Amino acid sequence: AQSVAQPEDQVNVAEGNPLTVKCTYSVSGNPYLFWYVQYPNRGLQFLLKYITGDNLVKGSYGFEAEFNKSQTSFHLKKPSALVSDSALYFCAVRALTSGNTPLVFGKGTRLSVIA
Amino acid sequence: DAMVIQNPRYQVTQFGKPVTLSCSQTLNHNVMYWYQQKSSQAPKLLFHYYDKDFNNEADTPDNFQSRRPNTSFCFLDIRSPGLGDAAMYLCATSRTGGGQPQHFGDGTRLSIL
Repeated sequence: AQSVAQPEDQVNVAEGNPLTVKCTYSVSGNPYLFWYVQYPNRGLQFLLKYITGDNLVKGSYGFEAEFNKSQTSFHLKKPSALVSDSALYFCAVRALTSGNTPLVFGKGTRLSVIA
Repeated sequence: DAMVIQNPRYQVTQFGKPVTLSCSQTLNHNVMYWYQQKSSQAPKLLFHYYDKDFNNEADTPDNFQSRRPNTSFCFLDIRSPGLGDAAMYLCATSRTGGGQPQHFGDGTRLSIL
């Protein structure tokens, strides 16, 4: 079975400071990993994904994520947070061997960036 | 721009009165999904289509049905909405392939009176 854990319901960070939103996963074999962001009354927007290759993945809006196989983690990071980054963030996983099964989402982490 | 469009954005219906939510896509993706999302929780998958092949999640209530008449359109029918069905309903699409991301519409917020 595939699963995703986002251990923090809420992350608060001051504007200009680096931010990290944590994600750990559990799959059989290798994973495909994704991050999405959701603004109020909007759908989920795709930020970035890890498929294979370089463990540091760069995505939209200055976000990046680091894949760590030994720790089964895929934390989302940004060097300098903006107030406009305040939103709900979801990590998602699909096992490489699971074919076309839908993504499994974490429960989400609310990020608040304070001016 | 290619996109996933959900109509209407807000829908109000009465308890027990059937309602249909619609989704269209210009991405020409062969996979379409319907999710239910409550109160900033994780989206809960209701069902999905690979082309015309329908896949129902085991815990999706019988009250919820779906139709996909062609590649571009997909509908969610709620036969007899209860108060517990008030939620945001999200449609998503993707290409086939494990590394393909899902692309979401902006959702329909359903209220039950």
